[in-house]
Amino acid sequence: TQLLEQSPQFLSIQEGENLTVYCNSSSVFSSLQWYRQEPGEGPVLLVTVVTGGEVKKLKRLTFQFGDARKDSSLHITAAQPGDTGLYLCAGARNTGNQFYFGTGTSLTVIP
Amino acid sequence: KAGVTQTPRYLIKTRGQQVTLSCSPISGHRSVSWYQQTPGQGLQFLFEYFSETQRNKGNFPGRFSGRQFSNSRSEMNVSTLELGDSALYLCASSFSDSYEQYFGPGTRLTVT
Repeated sequence: TQLLEQSPQFLSIQEGENLTVYCNSSSVFSSLQWYRQEPGEGPVLLVTVVTGGEVKKLKRLTFQFGDARKDSSLHITAAQPGDTGLYLCAGARNTGNQFYFGTGTSLTVIP
Repeated sequence: KAGVTQTPRYLIKTRGQQVTLSCSPISGHRSVSWYQQTPGQGLQFLFEYFSETQRNKGNFPGRFSGRQFSNSRSEMNVSTLELGDSALYLCASSFSDSYEQYFGPGTRLTVT
């Protein structure tokens, strides 16, 4: 059983549309990260959130950490084909660098 | 600054053999973590090394082991390979507990 569940698992949208990816857990995390991974490569860190209720914006991407630090969301505005990839959330529960990864959301943006 | 490097990038082994994978972290990073990624299980944490000591360990059998050298480079070893060990093995480095991990490109291991 995965500690972090992501939804949806697959998402295929047209260029210009908006989308939201969810990352949920029943556990509390001290920090949560979002990554994007392309085929044959390692995940690339997009953002880290550490405070409950925190919202971070990275150009067209908006990340939110839940008030209780159990869940997070990633919202993409006006998706572009370059946003295509596997989006992963990862949470840390204690000190050190042991991260629990979510189940992943595979996003395809069609031109 | 150079990124995390992993060698080899691709590896094919036979069931029962053993394999050693190498990871060179970003210069100055003292923490190295290893993950296994498969289509069915996703990314699973193997272990983390910090200043040559294993600090955290995931739920994998003893066939999976690792070590870290004084220059922070790390190796992981899998003995008595099984077909189910076929996966992408990813290494990530971090500067202490900065909460920011930087991943290498991975080593694709295929066990036949």
